[in-house]
Parts: sequence; structure tokens; C-alpha cells
Amino acid sequence: EVQLVQSGAEVKKPGESLKISCKASGYSFTNYWIAWVRQMPGKGLEWMGIIYPSDSDTRYSPSFQGQVTISADKSISTAYLQWSSLKASDIAVYYCVRHGTAFDIWGQGTLVTVSS
Amino acid sequence: AIQMTQSPSSVSASVGDRVTITCRASQGIRNDLGWYQQKPGKAPTLLIYSASTLQSGVPSRFSGSGSGTDFTLTINSLQPEDFATYYCLQDHNYPCTFGQGTKLEIK
Repeated sequence: EVQLVQSGAEVKKPGESLKISCKASGYSFTNYWIAWVRQMPGKGLEWMGIIYPSDSDTRYSPSFQGQVTISADKSISTAYLQWSSLKASDIAVYYCVRHGTAFDIWGQGTLVTVSS
Repeated sequence: AIQMTQSPSSVSASVGDRVTITCRASQGIRNDLGWYQQKPGKAPTLLIYSASTLQSGVPSRFSGSGSGTDFTLTINSLQPEDFATYYCLQDHNYPCTFGQGTKLEIK
């Protein structure tokens, strides 16, 4: 079965760092781009950026450039989204999604809570 | 970045009705558009890609049309499980961009 399984919910304080993960299975990880999507509470979907795990070619939406880092480890078929210093405004559910025929396979989402 | 303008933002309908949702791109995107359904507390799922191709397993009451800048998602004969929020997403170029979403509610 083709699937993306994300790491669990996180509760962090402002200023802390965080790295969440997205593990792929059931397909060749290096052959498909993986994107990250943010959904703030009660809001719509926002496309953050995308990585090609084969060569780590990465593209960011201007809104997220410099705010997060997308990476991948092809040896363990896992993509990552990380923050060096979280803000209260980073509270959201974050989804990873494979770009096959459109964005066809979605992770279950990771809830990130930032609170002092 | 390409802007996607989706309308309406919400719509009320009854089981059995037909509903149409539109997305307009700020520039031509050929047919590089997908439609996604999201139910509360769940990840989105792909309904239609390349503007008009039904994703495997998606009921045939869903259909998509359009090319260039104007796109439409139509749901015929609404079923109770169709009440959800719908998004368009262009993947013509990076950054990809979503429409604002359409919440489909039961009348």
C-alpha cells in the first residue's frame, strides 16, 4: 500500500526548534516530489514547499522561504519539515503529500502546538 | 505566484442537488489543476486531476472541466458524504497555490 505516515503531535514553546517527519512506503521514494501543506486552525490549505528526494532539489513558496526548512533522507524514505525558532503563529496541522498525478497521496497530518 | 480565486466560499444544498464550484487562475495554467475534498479533522483527498480526470475510486457524480484560466467542479446528485470543504490547487508551476476553499453544507 502506498502511504505517507507522519510523526505525532508536538507541543513546543516559542523559540524552540522542531523537526517533523513523513515516512513513505509502498513506492519508490526517490521518483516523486514531496510537498508540505499548512492548515492553520479553521483556515484553508497553504502550499509551503516541495522537495525531490533523489537530489534534494527544493522549492519554497515565498511566504515560507526562510521560515522553514524542507529536507529528505532517501536512505530511510523520509521527508522532513523543520523550524529553528517556533512562533505562536506556527500553530497548525502540517501535511506532507506526494506529487504523482497531482498531489495524490497525503499523510495523516501533524498537529503542531506552540504555547508558553 | 499564480493566484487561484475560488467561488463560492460556501454553499448550502440538499441531498440530490447538483452543485458547481469554480476556480479562476490569474494566468493560464493549461489543465494543471486538481480538486480536493476535505472532511473535518481529516487530510484532503484527491478527486480530480488534470482538470477533468477522475481519480481512481472517486464516484462518477464528480466531474471537472476547464482549461487555461477557468475551471469547474460539478457534483451531481449530492450524497450525504459529499458535505465537506473543496479546494482547487494549481500545479502548473511553483509555488503551487490553492483556492480559498468552498464549504458545502446541508440545507
